[in-house]
Amino acid sequence: AQSVTQPDIHITVSEGASLELRCNYSYGATPYLFWYVQSPGQGLQLLLKYFSGDTLVQGIKGFEAEFKRSQSSFNLRKPSVHWSDAAEYFCAVGPTGGGNKLTFGTGTQLKVEL
Amino acid sequence: DGGITQSPKYLFRKEGQNVTLSCEQNLNHDAMYWYRQDPGQGLRLIYYSQIVNDFQKGDIAEGYSVSREKKESFPLTVTSAQKNPTAFYLCASLRTNTGELFFGEGSRLTVL
Repeated sequence: AQSVTQPDIHITVSEGASLELRCNYSYGATPYLFWYVQSPGQGLQLLLKYFSGDTLVQGIKGFEAEFKRSQSSFNLRKPSVHWSDAAEYFCAVGPTGGGNKLTFGTGTQLKVEL
Repeated sequence: DGGITQSPKYLFRKEGQNVTLSCEQNLNHDAMYWYRQDPGQGLRLIYYSQIVNDFQKGDIAEGYSVSREKKESFPLTVTSAQKNPTAFYLCASLRTNTGELFFGEGSRLTVL
């Protein structure tokens, strides 16, 4: 069965500092991988996705993620965090086409200190 | 702009009452989904529909029902059989060619 682990429930960083959110997955074949962001009381917005090809993918709002097959990881990074990045971040994994087969992690809550 | 509209945003109900959450999309997507979100548990799939007049149970369908009479609409009914209905409910649709889910802004249901 596929699964996603986000080991950090809460992370606090200072504005301007770099950020890395961890995501480890378990999947039997080449997965589709996603990062979504959720502001309080809102729906989820796609930050970036990996299907194939270059293992370093760029997303919106200056985020990037790197797919490492050997480590079964898809960590999200940002070189310099802004106060507006404070939100909850979800990693998700699924087969081709995603949809109902998509499995979400439990999320990482990011707090940004000014 | 295309998107997903959920209503109401906040809803209160008494125990024993059924309640229906609305979800409408104008993205022309075939597949639609309902998720339940509880603190620390991520998103759990309640029901999904891949085409009009067809829907399937997700991981936590007990106590819920849906219909899909139109492509644009996928309402969710939380019945009195749902033991712990207080939660944040999210509706989504799927862009098939990219696998990307588009989400509504959610409906927060509180049972008094």
